[in-house]
Amino acid sequence: DTEVTQTPKHLVMGMTNKKSLKCEQHMGHRAMYWYKQKAKKPPELMFVYSYEKLSINESVPSRFSPECPNSSLLNLHLHALQPEDSALYLCASSQDRSDSYEQYFGPGTRLTVT
Amino acid sequence: KQEVTQIPAALSVPEGENLVLNCSFTDSAIYNLQWFRQDPGKGLTSLLLIQSSQREQTSGRLNASLDKSSGRSTLYIAASQPGDSATYLCAVNRGYGQNFVFGPGTRLSVLP
Repeated sequence: DTEVTQTPKHLVMGMTNKKSLKCEQHMGHRAMYWYKQKAKKPPELMFVYSYEKLSINESVPSRFSPECPNSSLLNLHLHALQPEDSALYLCASSQDRSDSYEQYFGPGTRLTVT
Repeated sequence: KQEVTQIPAALSVPEGENLVLNCSFTDSAIYNLQWFRQDPGKGLTSLLLIQSSQREQTSGRLNASLDKSSGRSTLYIAASQPGDSATYLCAVNRGYGQNFVFGPGTRLSVLP
């Protein structure tokens, strides 16, 4: 199984809502990533978890709150978002193997903030 | 700071042509380079991964090369097909748990 799954596929939320994005992988990968991608732009890193601990936070606003409950699951909790936060949110994972470090991406969640 | 560029930004070719996409990076201290394909509104599909110790990788009609010393990679697509139309992104990786630095992508259109 070389798949990263993300739910939901699409999400529309108001600026006062609280919602969560979910990412799951069963490849035994110990690093998991959240990226944000705006239209016609490359993905930009938000967070990295390594062995369930937050290792990189790219100065992301606190209205985005990541969580890694276990080695297979990664969540992104959303609260009080702004319309400019509308984007495609991508999750990725990679294994701790020095001969690889290949990143596998999920299909993304298309988020619209109204 | 690592910077990745891709040339051309967009490319339109007739079906059947062979084509080359270019990727350049400024810092040669990389673990690997990965080429991805992205269809509009979709996630990233990994095409090829080249380790820093490798020169090239092949998968079907795709061939990717890496010249780490000059900071360049190319993706060669043979006998292009309309189904190859997508945005192609290269990304360099500094290692486990590290950020990928992506290039801006090349938008490819293959005309029937």
